[in-house]
Amino acid sequence: GNSVTQMEGPVTLSEEAFLTINCTYTATGYPSLFWYVQYPGEGLQLLLKATKADDKGSNKGFEATYRKETTSFHLEKGSVQVSDSAVYFCALIMDDYKLSFGAGTTVTVRA
Amino acid sequence: ETGVTQTPRHLVMGMTNKKSLKCEQHLGHNAMYWYKQSAKKPLELMFVYNFKEQTENNSVPSRFSPECPNSSHLFLHLHTLQPEDSALYLCASSQAMGGSINSPLHFGNGTRLTVT
Repeated sequence: GNSVTQMEGPVTLSEEAFLTINCTYTATGYPSLFWYVQYPGEGLQLLLKATKADDKGSNKGFEATYRKETTSFHLEKGSVQVSDSAVYFCALIMDDYKLSFGAGTTVTVRA
Repeated sequence: ETGVTQTPRHLVMGMTNKKSLKCEQHLGHNAMYWYKQSAKKPLELMFVYNFKEQTENNSVPSRFSPECPNSSHLFLHLHTLQPEDSALYLCASSQAMGGSINSPLHFGNGTRLTVT
């Protein structure tokens, strides 16, 4: 079936550090890809998305590029802030309209 | 304000109790979902309702019983739960079923359930 694998956390960084969270997917076709973010005590929010190969999603300084050749959608941010501390979920959806999530990666940014 | 409101925020219950989780959305969406979030595991889709009709039951044990009286409200009735059912239960909604690019999911803040 379709699935998403993302790097295990937790990830702890200092402010202004570079963040990368790896995400790879397995799918029978060409899914749409998402990153969701969950801030402490809250539900998930859509962070960014991409629908086809080489698309780059971006929001709040975060970027992710849909790489068909490596079946990846890694999340990056060049300079993190304490407010970026959250759990990040990679997800995909196919034509069956079922959204599949990864296990989440906890990121803690220290001042 | 996320547009999706869940109550209560926290719930502690014994294995013989009966309780209910409530979800309400003010977004005019037609699809609603229950997800289970456990530590270090992918979000588990439990139930999906589209226009008040259940379209998905992802092999959820019968001790979890959903109810969707209208497109704006979703309940999860709990009965004789086990300690391993302790988790964060998230409600979500979307305009159309599935959570696609054009109809992303909007999540509530969740109910933290502890079964003792």
